[in-house]
Parts: sequence; C-alpha cells; structure tokens
Amino acid sequence: DTGVSQDPRHKITKRGQNVTFRCDPISEHNRLYWYRQTLGQGPEFLTYFQNEAQLEKSRLLSDRFSAERPKGSFSTLEIQRTEQGDSAMYLCASSLVTGTFTDTQYFGPGTRLTVL
Amino acid sequence: TQLLEQSPQFLSIQEGENLTVYCNSSSVFSSLQWYRQEPGEGPVLLVTVVTGGEVKKLKRLTFQFGDARKDSSLHITAAQPGDTGLYLCAGAPSGAGSYQLTFGKGTKLSVIP
Repeated sequence: DTGVSQDPRHKITKRGQNVTFRCDPISEHNRLYWYRQTLGQGPEFLTYFQNEAQLEKSRLLSDRFSAERPKGSFSTLEIQRTEQGDSAMYLCASSLVTGTFTDTQYFGPGTRLTVL
Repeated sequence: TQLLEQSPQFLSIQEGENLTVYCNSSSVFSSLQWYRQEPGEGPVLLVTVVTGGEVKKLKRLTFQFGDARKDSSLHITAAQPGDTGLYLCAGAPSGAGSYQLTFGKGTKLSVIP
C-alpha cells in the first residue's frame, strides 16, 4: 500500500506567479479532498472529488484557486496570481466510499507553499 | 459552521506520565477521527469512532466517543517521547456534507525524557 503522495513537497514562489500541486491518492480510493493548513490551525476543507466529478467547490478560497481530477485518479490544485497570504501547507486526502456511513480520510504528506 | 474545540492547546509532560486530551463541540457528528501530525508532514490517522459511547484502544492510547456524539477524548498512558506531536480531532457532520471534516486546532504534546 503506497499511501497518498503529493508533489512537490516544498514550493517557493514569487508573488503573482502561478503554482500547481499534484496529488496521487491511494489507488482504490474514489474520493479525493484538498485542504489548507496554516500555522497553528487545523486543516481547512477546500474541495473534493468523487471519481472525476468535483462535487463541492464553494469552499475554495477565491476564484484564483481551481482543482481538477481529469481521469478520476490523480488531482491537481492550481493557484493563480499567488499572494503572500496563500503561504500554507496544502494537504490532499483520499477515501473509499462504499455506501457505508463512515468516510475515513487518509492524508498525504502535504505541499508547503511559501510566497515571497 | 460546526466547531471543534480541543483542550489543552499545549501540553508538556514527563515521560511515564498519563494525559488526556479533549475534543468538544455543540454539534453532533456521524463519526470522529483522531490524527497525529509531525512538523512538516500530513496528519496520520490514529482511529475513527462512530458509535456514541464507543471506546477504542490502540496500545497505550484510549479513545472515547461521547454518548451524544458531540465530544471525544484521547487518553495516553505512560507517555513516551515518541508520542510527541500535534494531536488533531476531526468530525464528520451528520447527513449532507458528511465528507467535509471539521478539524480542531490541535493539542501540541511534548513528552520530555
């Protein structure tokens, strides 16, 4: 079992640049989630996919944020025109939903973004 | 918006001591998960509790879900330096939106050898 992987682990960028992060979920998982975590806080939900469908995106922080999961496997999170306030840890999680009530999410190691 | 409050925020204890961390809300959750997070890493799942009153044990860690499914506790017996980390609780709301975990701010535990 290879777990959730994220790439890159660290990204330093200048304000105004675009960045893209990749997440590879656990292979048999059908749901994929993106969270943001700032210093001293717990993760904050951003969006999620079931297979290739993005079922919730109202919590994305602004229209500069977008996410895709084109073939229902890996996902990308893009931030356009980055701002210093975007500096945070971006976490991906995945889960397998089979109709049971519990939706246990497994997290990747995160991508640490620093905007200069 | 459902909120989860964790207490204490910080805890520093000597190796061998026992401790309890609390996670409280005014909302009912369909399930509650506990994670441990190391600096610069993602949260690692420790346990999921689903039934009110449920108690789960993981070696020296005991997790309890409140009868009303609004609160939970984590008890560590004979803490070891390897237990050091940030402990996060996360609740899944009942019904629609159950995918959207709400996290507490965490309890930062330091176990001193």
